[in-house]
Amino acid sequence: DVKVTQSSRYLVKRTGEKVFLECVQDMDHENMFWYRQDPGLGLRLIYFSYDVKMKEKGDIPEGYSVSREKKERFSLILESASTNQTSMYLCASSPFGGAGYTFGSGTRLTVV
Amino acid sequence: AQSVTQPDIHITVSEGASLELRCNYSYGATPYLFWYVQSPGQGLQLLLKYFSGDTLVQGIKGFEAEFKRSQSSFNLRKPSVHWSDAAEYFCAVASPYNNNDMRFGAGTRLTVKP
Repeated sequence: DVKVTQSSRYLVKRTGEKVFLECVQDMDHENMFWYRQDPGLGLRLIYFSYDVKMKEKGDIPEGYSVSREKKERFSLILESASTNQTSMYLCASSPFGGAGYTFGSGTRLTVV
Repeated sequence: AQSVTQPDIHITVSEGASLELRCNYSYGATPYLFWYVQSPGQGLQLLLKYFSGDTLVQGIKGFEAEFKRSQSSFNLRKPSVHWSDAAEYFCAVASPYNNNDMRFGAGTRLTVKP
């Protein structure tokens, strides 16, 4: 069964901490994405990557960065966590040409 | 850029009743259209997608959706809802020319009454 795996289901971090969210896919997909999901706002794209070492800003990149050193792994980094970054974070991947995304189970991050 | 509107934030239906979830999109041409379902605490699962061709699309779990160009709609339907269908449903639209730019609606939460 093809998968997108997010390393943590729940995380609690303190304000100002540097936070790493990891995502790994086993489908050899070129494209990978990070979204945050908040009630009433749906999914908002933070960053995406269409190739190793490539990244593009989404709609809400402020306060975040990403890293893609290997094709299967896409990391989201919160440089200095703040309480307004408390959210559900979803990773997704897709093959070149689209055809729909495969999502991970999500990481619920709480910043206190 | 494309956008999606799901007019209903929350819908409640009785088990066994029919279901229709509304989705309207904004895009200059025919987009790629998707419906996803999210069970509590889970990621999103693809129910069905429309790229071209037959405007009535069949998906998993007994769902179907109909693309209506004249109404810019892609409504999701199910003839008889099961309790396990309770979840949040997201409509999404992507440009056929840039599949990296998928836009999601705000979601519709479905409650199923016994």
